[in-house]
Amino acid sequence: GNSVTQMEGPVTLSEEAFLTINCTYTATGYPSLFWYVQYPGEGLQLLLKATKADDKGSNKGFEATYRKETTSFHLEKGSVQVSDSAVYFCALSDQQAGANSKLTFGKGITLSVRP
Amino acid sequence: GAVVSQHPSRVICKSGTSVKIECRSLDFQATTMFWYRQFPKQSLMLMATSNEGSKATYEQGVEKDKFLINHASLTLSTLTVTSAHPEDSSFYICSAREDRGLIYGYTFGSGTRLTVV
Repeated sequence: GNSVTQMEGPVTLSEEAFLTINCTYTATGYPSLFWYVQYPGEGLQLLLKATKADDKGSNKGFEATYRKETTSFHLEKGSVQVSDSAVYFCALSDQQAGANSKLTFGKGITLSVRP
Repeated sequence: GAVVSQHPSRVICKSGTSVKIECRSLDFQATTMFWYRQFPKQSLMLMATSNEGSKATYEQGVEKDKFLINHASLTLSTLTVTSAHPEDSSFYICSAREDRGLIYGYTFGSGTRLTVV
């Protein structure tokens, strides 16, 4: 079955530090990959996505590249801000599942950015 | 962009009562919606997949009679927690799937904090 593995957290960084959050996946077929962000007390917001190998998703200074050879979709940001403090979820969707397509989530990782 | 509205955002109820949570897709039709439960500092647990006009598909371990799901239209799914008990207290989140040909998009509601006292 499909699965997503995220690095263990939490992660605490100082403002303007470089961020990397690792994500690897196992899937049959050709999944689409996503990063979602959850701020305290809220639902999930789509941060970025990539639908095929070598695609790079980017948004708000965050980037992630779909690497089929390493089955990875690591999230990076060059300079984090306090406002980036949140929980980050890596997820995949097997688009070939058609009507049965759904998201499979990693465990999530909490990022705290200190001023 | 796609927007999903979830209500209420917070609800406190007495043990033994039932609570209904609504999930609406505001600007698109959602044949399929998903209901998740999230415990503090934990990931999302998929409870069930809700399909318009048919019975929901529940994940293993989720009580169908306790968590009633109705998806009567292409823009509305409801989750009713029946005879709620303190252990049902949790954060419930819905998601609507937007079908765009071969690519699917998933939009989440803002969540409902349920507290059973």
